[in-house]
Amino acid sequence: EPEVTQTPSHQVTQMGQEVILRCVPISNHLYFYWYRQILGQKVEFLVSFYNNEISEKSEIFDDQFSVERPDGSNFTLKIRSTKLEDSAMYFCATRGDFNQPQHFGDGTRLSIL
Amino acid sequence: SQQGEEDPQALSIQEGENATMNCSYKTSINNLQWYRQNSGRGLVHLILIRSNEREKHSGRLRVTLDTSKKSSSLLITASRAADTASYFCATFRSNDYKLSFGAGTTVTVRA
Repeated sequence: EPEVTQTPSHQVTQMGQEVILRCVPISNHLYFYWYRQILGQKVEFLVSFYNNEISEKSEIFDDQFSVERPDGSNFTLKIRSTKLEDSAMYFCATRGDFNQPQHFGDGTRLSIL
Repeated sequence: SQQGEEDPQALSIQEGENATMNCSYKTSINNLQWYRQNSGRGLVHLILIRSNEREKHSGRLRVTLDTSKKSSSLLITASRAADTASYFCATFRSNDYKLSFGAGTTVTVRA
């Protein structure tokens, strides 16, 4: 079964540094998402992306965050200047049609020191 | 507003028993999805139930949806140790594009 692939699995970064999290969506999927989960808390929506533009973003997704599909396949989340509170698991999800489930990757554990 | 709140928060059962968890939400939805998460891992999709459906089965899983009460339940029958995980419901609405997750139910199946 096709999978969503995320890299790296774990990223350790100094506060203030930029990080880029990468996701390879399932090939025929059109809708892309980033979610995050702080340890022990619920999964929170960050941003949705369709047709090469952001469809919706949450209040968490401030000016420090950006997303893009630089080469038409990878879907990336960039955090420009990381803060301690950005430490979390970041999940990429993709889906095909409207009433289809979202398929999640295994996540990137981001640790900010 | 918060969507997809599960109860109980935690559930401990003996292998072979059934596990039932509930999810309540606040606004109209297009579909409701259940996911499983093993410790430190990603979210695995279990079942999607559309707003015009009342019940769905998949193997040992049974999901119900009552849109009048804005609630859903997930039943795992004949539980196994491998079912130990956190289970989340998530709602999807047509006026936005995201899944809204609840806090989850942690299920422990004792051998």
